[in-house]
Amino acid sequence: EIVLTQSPATLSLSPGERATLSCRASQSVGSYLAWYQQKPGQSPRLLIYDASNRATGIPARFSGSGSGTDFTLTISSLEPEDFAVYYCQQRSDWPPLFTFGPGTKVDV
Amino acid sequence: QVQLVESGGGVVQPGGSLRLSCAASGFTFRSYGMHWVRQAPGKGLEWVAVISYDGTNIFYGDSVKGRFTISRDSSKDTLNLQMNSLRTEDTAVYYCAKGRTQYDSAVAFDFWGQGTMVTVSS
Repeated sequence: EIVLTQSPATLSLSPGERATLSCRASQSVGSYLAWYQQKPGQSPRLLIYDASNRATGIPARFSGSGSGTDFTLTISSLEPEDFAVYYCQQRSDWPPLFTFGPGTKVDV
Repeated sequence: QVQLVESGGGVVQPGGSLRLSCAASGFTFRSYGMHWVRQAPGKGLEWVAVISYDGTNIFYGDSVKGRFTISRDSSKDTLNLQMNSLRTEDTAVYYCAKGRTQYDSAVAFDFWGQGTMVTVSS
């Protein structure tokens, strides 16, 4: 099973600052990586798919990069609505099994 | 617009069974793989199961294999999860989620339901 590790667990920042979130896989996942945002009491929302592609309707301040085992989600300038928990998620090649990272909480 | 509406959650005793459903609308259900993902109270997301667009490929997470069964009824645009031999650690909000791309095993889940709560307790 591929294990995802996210760091830091908590990121304390202010609006307008840049956020850099890391996700590391225990073995290569190629570009089979996605990022989600979840706010309290809400369902997760897809931000990034295939490591670097923004999902429909996602603002340009969100960007994803990386391949293989090391990935990064960057929020270029935090807006008040961006304070949330962020999860990375991978799919193994075959069989297609999916795992999530433990999450990074971005708070004020 | 895409809508996924889960139902069937509730309180069940350890060892019991429960059947969840997810009613899909706003997209061609029969063309997309579908997933169940769960989230224990105060915890992170855990993938549970996937069923391919045509129902021929089904895979489960290790923690539910042999106890849970995912299925779909494309005539009714409905996804199901039959949960047997429930344990206290199965207590969670259960979400259904849609695969992002048609026909293949998409990496990402682009739409999620609002979730249904399952509590396993004596």
